Amino acid sequence: GAGVSQTPSNKVTEKGKYVELRCDPISGHTALYWYRQSLGQGPEFLIYFQGTGAADDSGLPNDRFFAVRPEGSVSTLKIQRTERGDSAVYLCASSLGPTDTQYFGPGTRLTVL
Amino acid sequence: GESVGLHLPTLSVQEGDNSIINCAYSNSASDYFIWYKQESGKGPQFIIDIRSNMDKRQGQRVTVLLNKTVKHLSLQIAATQPGDSAVYFCAENGASDYKLSFGAGTTVTVRA
Repeated sequence: GAGVSQTPSNKVTEKGKYVELRCDPISGHTALYWYRQSLGQGPEFLIYFQGTGAADDSGLPNDRFFAVRPEGSVSTLKIQRTERGDSAVYLCASSLGPTDTQYFGPGTRLTVL
Repeated sequence: GESVGLHLPTLSVQEGDNSIINCAYSNSASDYFIWYKQESGKGPQFIIDIRSNMDKRQGQRVTVLLNKTVKHLSLQIAATQPGDSAVYFCAENGASDYKLSFGAGTTVTVRA
């Protein structure tokens, strides 16, 4: 079946601009996660959704980052006033429930010039 | 702080040999561990997982061993193939169930 999909695959933006990154989880998965991966590092947790609500957003680096999942399926990660340090691969994962295996999407590579 | 880490950043292995990738963790509250494989330009791909009530679990050509006494996790790949070349990450859930903490990864290169 279809896995987790993310769009766009690549996003280049200028410092100070606003960006939105989209994630389509595996159908039926109630849990959805966003991670950020810098070059040469492992993914770092950003936020976890159970259904429509953000159950844990403790990994978001600051208030420029925000994520939504209004209908409990697709999620959008929003970054305001982008900075060069935001450049990374943003990964989305989903699982049946919070204790089940997390399956990752291909990621969105964000480059802030 | 507590974290997950790997012993070696790189591993070179001859095609057909067995590979062993090691991982040390320090969070004694972790009860779920996962190995992921990540190829260049792709997202992490699930390989195998193990819960703390087990010390060994086998999959297809892979085995994960968990030693809770010394907080050590390993991934064994049998008869390593060129397609196994990738970065391998171990991850733990800490005490949260859902929040995975990843190590920095081991890059495995398979020599023909």
